[in-house]
Amino acid sequence: KNEVEQSPQNLTAQEGEFITINCSYSVGISALHWLQQHPGGGIVSLFMLSSGKKKHGRLIATINIQEKHSSLHITASHPRDSAVYICAALNYGGSQGNLIFGKGTKLSVKP
Amino acid sequence: NAGVTQTPKFQVLKTGQSMTLQCAQDMNHNSMYWYRQDPGMGLRLIYYSASEGTTDKGEVPNGYNVSRLNKREFSLRLESAAPSQTSVYFCASTLAGVYATGELFFGEGSRLTVL
Repeated sequence: KNEVEQSPQNLTAQEGEFITINCSYSVGISALHWLQQHPGGGIVSLFMLSSGKKKHGRLIATINIQEKHSSLHITASHPRDSAVYICAALNYGGSQGNLIFGKGTKLSVKP
Repeated sequence: NAGVTQTPKFQVLKTGQSMTLQCAQDMNHNSMYWYRQDPGMGLRLIYYSASEGTTDKGEVPNGYNVSRLNKREFSLRLESAAPSQTSVYFCASTLAGVYATGELFFGEGSRLTVL
């Protein structure tokens, strides 16, 4: 069983819809990353959080440490949001080498 | 701003050939990483370097070697390529050192095919 599970694996939405991508983890963590992988393959960091909530533009990331769960929300989705979204958890007390990646959620936003 | 630059972007090798993937960052980051990405799997760590002069094995180090040449550069070498090493390789860096975390910066990826 993967220690970091994402759901759904694939998601298709209409432009303008509110989108939620979930990430659950089974290990104790000190931080969690949300990454975006563009259709061309490049990966960019969206958020790094260890508690609460962060917002950047139309993107919101939340984390509940007690429930071992994080969500990435996209408001007013747009076709340019189409990408693979990846969460990665840093094992509590582990070094940077202990980032555990989810398999990603492929989002497609239709106009 | 260059960020993380990795080369080459594409490479085709025959089984048994060797090659080196180069990675350089211009952000004065301490930690650098090499990952591979295969269909249906999450990114998997091959090797990492928490600081200049140190390297450590990750989840899938077999068949690879690395060199942290200086603070900027971290290279990945395949001594005798095998078809199982066909993958997309990503270099990444972060300012944080060991036992910490910071924003990750990724290179554009290198698509390697071993025939």
